[in-house]
Amino acid sequence: GQQLNQNPQSMFIQEGEDVSMNCTSSSIFNTWLWYKQDPGEGPVLLIALYKAGELTSNGRLTAQFGITRKDSFLNISASIPSDVGIYFCAGQLRAGGTSYGKLTFGQGTILTVHP
Amino acid sequence: ETGVTQSPTHLIKTRGQQVTLRCSSQSGHNTVSWYQQALGQGPQFIFQYYREEENGRGNFPPRFSGLQFPNYSSELNVNALELDDSALYLCASSTAASGSPHEQYFGPGTRLTVT
Repeated sequence: GQQLNQNPQSMFIQEGEDVSMNCTSSSIFNTWLWYKQDPGEGPVLLIALYKAGELTSNGRLTAQFGITRKDSFLNISASIPSDVGIYFCAGQLRAGGTSYGKLTFGQGTILTVHP
Repeated sequence: ETGVTQSPTHLIKTRGQQVTLRCSSQSGHNTVSWYQQALGQGPQFIFQYYREEENGRGNFPPRFSGLQFPNYSSELNVNALELDDSALYLCASSTAASGSPHEQYFGPGTRLTVT
């Protein structure tokens, strides 16, 4: 099935460093979401973006909805050991009304933080 | 914690058998979506249920079917299990209303192993 192109696939960083990852698509979305998944658990919603150009923060996390509506970016500042996990972007195309809004996911970015 | 629960946590089945997975949605949510997550991949959309009817389907064969009950809980049924059906099955709940965002909140998943 279709998946978004998420980069990088993995990152190894030192505690305290900033992290950037991105997600691109060949088609537009009108919602972008970022999730974090720990081993053996379901994805946890971090940030949701609803408008092209929107910049939204959640603590040390900042995400942006690309102007073209085909990409999104996630930044984590001053990383800490508990940031370790797999980060997924997901795009959603809502046709209005109660039309279903399936999520299309990227392949994930595996983040490792060295103390 | 999202309030979305799934059962069972783990399941081992033999090829050709049938399986039923269950999901209870978050309080106040009326829509349930099911996803399949193979190892090392992002979740893939199976289908969504709204008002007890299937409201969108991904690229999965008819042997994947579901139900939604009046209390918005849901079941995923898979018939004639194949080895490739081994995966983490995730349920996500959301609220579908005209013009509202479809933020989806995931349960912990059911790990299905087919031998």
